[in-house]
Amino acid sequence: EVQLQESGPGLVKPSQSLSLTCSVTGYSITSNYWGWIRKFPGNKMEWMGYISYSGSTSYPPSLKSRISITRDTSKNQFFLQLNSVTTEDTATYYCTRLGTVSYWYFDFWGPGIMVTVSS
Amino acid sequence: DIQMTQSPSLLSASVGDRVTLNCKASQNINKNLNWYQQNLGEAPKLLIYYTNNLQTGIPSRFSGSGSGTDYTLTISSLQPEDVATYYCYQYNSGLTFGSGTKLEIK
Repeated sequence: EVQLQESGPGLVKPSQSLSLTCSVTGYSITSNYWGWIRKFPGNKMEWMGYISYSGSTSYPPSLKSRISITRDTSKNQFFLQLNSVTTEDTATYYCTRLGTVSYWYFDFWGPGIMVTVSS
Repeated sequence: DIQMTQSPSLLSASVGDRVTLNCKASQNINKNLNWYQQNLGEAPKLLIYYTNNLQTGIPSRFSGSGSGTDYTLTISSLQPEDVATYYCYQYNSGLTFGSGTKLEIK
């Protein structure tokens, strides 16, 4: 069974970088697409981007200047780095698998990790 | 950006009721819409993809419909385990989520 698990610091200071790891078991990240989605307090959700089976990436324009998604295929992990964070980046972060690019559905999710941006 | 508006934001219904949740896009999204269910403290779960396709393992009481800018998720007979928040999102242009409908049992 495909399982994803987020890890990383739960507290980040403003202006610093947020770095999270998604560890995947039961499936190789050299297949499919793998992404990050976050849910803000108040329930708004935002797609943050993906990394493909080949290592190519895609990000929404709103985040493109300060986001990077990378991977380590030897460890079957992919990573999120978000630079210059503010309190508005406080959210629960989910790593996901994109089941198909035909219908853009995310069929497997990690349980989520809450990250607070605060001094 | 395409805006997604879900209504109502809160819905209270009785067990056995037929329930309809709405999702409206700010422009035509060509049926490129998916629905998720999220229980408190859990990750979202895919229910419906491409407007009306039921994900494997999802009970048949869930169904989706719509076209153009207007879409609905219907639960034919509400069950206690359906208490959750439901989200739609479009992927026709970029990817944007609705703000969710919280479903409660009356």
